[in-house]
Amino acid sequence: KNEVEQSPQNLTAQEGEFITINCSYSVGISALHWLQQHPGGGIVSLFMLSSGKKKHGRLIATINIQEKHSSLHITASHPRDSAVYICAATNTGNQFYFGTGTSLTVIP
Amino acid sequence: SQTIHQWPATLVQPVGSPLSLECTVEGTSNPNLYWYRQAAGRGLQLLFYSVGIGQISSEVPQNLSASRPQDRQFILSSKKLLLSDSGFYLCAWSTLYPPEGGYTFGSGTRLTVV
Repeated sequence: KNEVEQSPQNLTAQEGEFITINCSYSVGISALHWLQQHPGGGIVSLFMLSSGKKKHGRLIATINIQEKHSSLHITASHPRDSAVYICAATNTGNQFYFGTGTSLTVIP
Repeated sequence: SQTIHQWPATLVQPVGSPLSLECTVEGTSNPNLYWYRQAAGRGLQLLFYSVGIGQISSEVPQNLSASRPQDRQFILSSKKLLLSDSGFYLCAWSTLYPPEGGYTFGSGTRLTVV
């Protein structure tokens, strides 16, 4: 069993829909990261959070430490949001544990 | 501003040949440096990380090795490539207490071993 589990693995949405990607982890963490990988492979770090909720534009990330669960929400989705979204947990030793990613396709 | 350079972008190598991928960071000092691999259809896997010059930690047993000859240079090597070494290799850096956005990744190297 992976230390970090993501769901769903694949997601197709219509433009404008509200999207949620879930992440559960089983390790003790110092931070939880959400990453975005574009079709060409480039990776961008979206959020790093250790508690509560963070928001950047149409993206919202939440974490529940007690339940060891995090969610990434995209409001008013757009085709340019199509990418692979990766959840990753880091422990106090700065080691990463990665989920296998959620492939999102937003259809115009 | 900080930037990270990784090269080459793509590489096709025969089985048994050596490998050297290089990553350099600009605009910061004493970064934590990482090498990741993403095999086809799989998530990112941490291969090596380094918290300082000459300090390398290996996460998985393999025929790859890493070196950090200078503070902002991180090299991934192999003496003899295997078919299973094919994948997408990413270099990344972070500060010990990263700011909003956390870690920064390079543009990646797509390695195909034939």
